[in-house]
Amino acid sequence: DTAVSQTPKYLVTQMGNDKSIKCEQNLGHDTMYWYKQDSKKFLKIMFSYNNKELIINETVPNRFSPKSPDKAHLNLHINSLELGDSAVYFCASSRDNRGVKGYTFGSGTRLTVV
Amino acid sequence: DQQVKQNSPSLSVQEGRISILNCDYTNSMFDYFLWYKKYPAEGPTFLISISSIKDKNEDGRFTVFLNKSAKHLSLHIVPSQPGDSAVYFCAASAHGTYKYIFGTGTRLKVLA
Repeated sequence: DTAVSQTPKYLVTQMGNDKSIKCEQNLGHDTMYWYKQDSKKFLKIMFSYNNKELIINETVPNRFSPKSPDKAHLNLHINSLELGDSAVYFCASSRDNRGVKGYTFGSGTRLTVV
Repeated sequence: DQQVKQNSPSLSVQEGRISILNCDYTNSMFDYFLWYKKYPAEGPTFLISISSIKDKNEDGRFTVFLNKSAKHLSLHIVPSQPGDSAVYFCAASAHGTYKYIFGTGTRLKVLA
């Protein structure tokens, strides 16, 4: 029973398409995150939601839009995909908005834009 | 500007010996630090944390040391086991922010 599950695991799509990545956590955590790991292996935060409220919105293109229908779900929608969007996207959750007990990460979604 | 740096991309250690993974940071406002372990095709897994009010935190085979004056932390694994072979990330957060800045990781290989 996976604590943080994200789908799909792999996504190959053409430039210009719109795609979504879904994330669900069954830990009862209040905060959820989206991180991007690029080709240089940097893990960078994109968004964070606490109880469905956006608390972190880093400098990412507005083609990326998070949506949190409830505190157990945080989906990531990407419009007009570009080659540079190719990366591994990780969803994570934490008990509190500081993450002092660490995050629980999903296994990642490898997005390849061709 | 990379505020959290792991300058050793890789490290090899014999089984049973000590593994020492290093992390340096530049932002003096960082006050909470985490270490994660990551296996291929999996998400990072939380290992151990340390607050800036401490200089050491221990959990089983894992100990994290913090030297605030040097802006340096290290993760010690004793004894190292083959199952410890993974990529290790350090991450830091400043009080009042809700985010962690991650280093680029060190790949540890424990040789049997």
